[in-house]
Amino acid sequence: ELKVEQNPLFLSMQEGKNYTIYCNYSTTSDRLYWYRQDPGKSLESLFVLLSNGAVKQEGRLMASLDTKARLSTLHITAAVHDLSATYFCAVDISFGANNLFFGTGTRLTVIP
Amino acid sequence: GAVVSQHPSRVICKSGTSVKIECRSLDFQATTMFWYRQFPKQSLMLMATSNEGSKATYEQGVEKDKFLINHASLTLSTLTVTSAHPEDSSFYICSARTGRDTQYFGPGTRLTVL
Repeated sequence: ELKVEQNPLFLSMQEGKNYTIYCNYSTTSDRLYWYRQDPGKSLESLFVLLSNGAVKQEGRLMASLDTKARLSTLHITAAVHDLSATYFCAVDISFGANNLFFGTGTRLTVIP
Repeated sequence: GAVVSQHPSRVICKSGTSVKIECRSLDFQATTMFWYRQFPKQSLMLMATSNEGSKATYEQGVEKDKFLINHASLTLSTLTVTSAHPEDSSFYICSARTGRDTQYFGPGTRLTVL
């Protein structure tokens, strides 16, 4: 059974702190996506990781992909309140055909 | 950038009625469109994949007779929830892509069935 699990499911952190969200998946894939979702809204694309060892950074967020370990991380540096949202990873299960299987989601709350 | 719209954004209907949701790619031709359902505080679950001009492929457990999908053109797909019941209340999100390109997501439609 295909699984894409995120850890933690809920994260409450103080402003200024650092933390990492983990995304483990059970199938072979070389392409992984990270999305942000605000309450009642659709998905905002954050990162596309296209190969083993890929690392991308945008502002306070940095994502990485280890296809051998079937693991992706989303690292948050010096969190600010505006980062509060739910973050999803999604695995391309079709070897580049871009059919996605979504992770369980991590609800992040940044406390002032 | 690629824009996908959905209409309506919110709909409330009575149990037993049918509801149609439209998904449009505004500035590109979508050879494939996807329909997802998201229950409160849960992840997105793929319901079906539709390619322009052909029948939709439904995921296991999704009733094709209840969730009718039509992808009649390269810019429009519709999802019709037939004989809706309260348990169909959910957030429905479509996405669209060209070829094997990135999926672009619509803003979602919140369906409430009374």
